[in-house]
Amino acid sequence: DIVMTQSPSSLAVSAGETVTINCKSSQSLFGSIRQKNYLAWYQQKPGQSPKPLIYLASTRESGVPVRFIGSGSGTDFTLTISSVQAEDLANYYCQQYYDTPYTFGAGTKLELK
Amino acid sequence: EVQLVESGGGLVQPGASLKLSCVASGFTFSDYWMSWVRQTPGKTMEWIGNIKYDGSYTNYAPALKNRFTISRDNAKTTLYLQMTNVRSEDTATYYCSRERGAVFAYWGQGTLVTVSS
Repeated sequence: DIVMTQSPSSLAVSAGETVTINCKSSQSLFGSIRQKNYLAWYQQKPGQSPKPLIYLASTRESGVPVRFIGSGSGTDFTLTISSVQAEDLANYYCQQYYDTPYTFGAGTKLELK
Repeated sequence: EVQLVESGGGLVQPGASLKLSCVASGFTFSDYWMSWVRQTPGKTMEWIGNIKYDGSYTNYAPALKNRFTISRDNAKTTLYLQMTNVRSEDTATYYCSRERGAVFAYWGQGTLVTVSS
């Protein structure tokens, strides 16, 4: 199985700050045929189901604010949230879909200071 | 609007069997791969498995393959998860999800399964 290591596990920030969440996979998620990285990011707000934010490592889902930026390739990926808003308080998960079984990171809890 | 509504969760004893359902609406169910994903009380996310749009193929997480079975009824637009010989570590919220290229694009609200004597 591909192991996804996510850090930090929690993060306390002030509104307006920029935050970075890291995700490292135990093997490369880069597919040579399509030349894409098979990595997604999800946001889960309290009491809600997860919602996809980013797919193919850097493509935002429709309707996702531009302050959410996915980057990285191979085994190292990052979710950056520019100018954090109160509504961004949530748990964030990375997930690889390069190979089954699909696997998730342990999550990062974003809290306001 | 895509809707996925899970049901069938509850309190079950260790060793029992349980069948979860997920009724889909708002899209052509028979066009999509579907997955089950669970989330433990500690918030760990685990993919259980998925099923091809026509029901002809399934994939499972190896650790669950011998106890869990995914099926679907396209005429009823319903996805199922049959769980057998449940254990305390199966306590979780179970979500069904519509896939898009193996991304979990839509999720239901989840159904809670608690395994306890």
